[in-house]
Amino acid sequence: NAGVTQTPKFRVLKTGQSMTLLCAQDMNHEYMYWYRQDPGMGLRLIHYSVGEGTTAKGEVPDGYNVSRLKKQNFLLGLESAAPSQTSVYFCASSPWTSGGRYNEQFFGPGTRLTVL
Amino acid sequence: AQRVTQPEKLLSVFKGAPVELKCNYSYSGSPELFWYVQYSRQRLQLLLRHISRESIKGFTADLNKGETSFHLKKPFAQEEDSAMYYCALRGYGGSQGNLIFGKGTKLSVKP
Repeated sequence: NAGVTQTPKFRVLKTGQSMTLLCAQDMNHEYMYWYRQDPGMGLRLIHYSVGEGTTAKGEVPDGYNVSRLKKQNFLLGLESAAPSQTSVYFCASSPWTSGGRYNEQFFGPGTRLTVL
Repeated sequence: AQRVTQPEKLLSVFKGAPVELKCNYSYSGSPELFWYVQYSRQRLQLLLRHISRESIKGFTADLNKGETSFHLKKPFAQEEDSAMYYCALRGYGGSQGNLIFGKGTKLSVKP
């Protein structure tokens, strides 16, 4: 199993350009997440999904959109990139939980995005 | 408010010395706390969770509700422990509750 994969690994954009980051998981997990990691800020949740066809906002959703058309894929879109979106983006997934118990999140390798 | 505080950005110790990475939290109710680790050029991964009360790679962490702390400890640090460590709290909301991460502490173990 590849686990959680992210495409691309690196990307440089100019201000105003758009792009889509792809996250794929082959573990049949229900939940998927997008985080951004900035120096001195830790990981902050952008959007998440609790199942195919559903998405919800996290802590820092502005400037991003997401879609979960297939269970195994979670796409993060930037419609008009800004320098403030320069960051490392991590995708994660976790299995469905029973009884309210938290299940471990499995992370992808990250995408390093620079917006000039 | 839900919050995780890791007061140290960088912690540097010598091999064989004890290490303690601090984590304090703010949460109403019974918290669920975790430590995640990111080794150089590797993915972020779960190290341990307080519910399991386990020791992983020699690390332990005890939840202290009175002090609202979940410090990570190891009696004898090894060079391979050098990594970025994140304390995380299971927050409210969502079907399983999302994780709230601290800003992380970089542990450097010198030979």
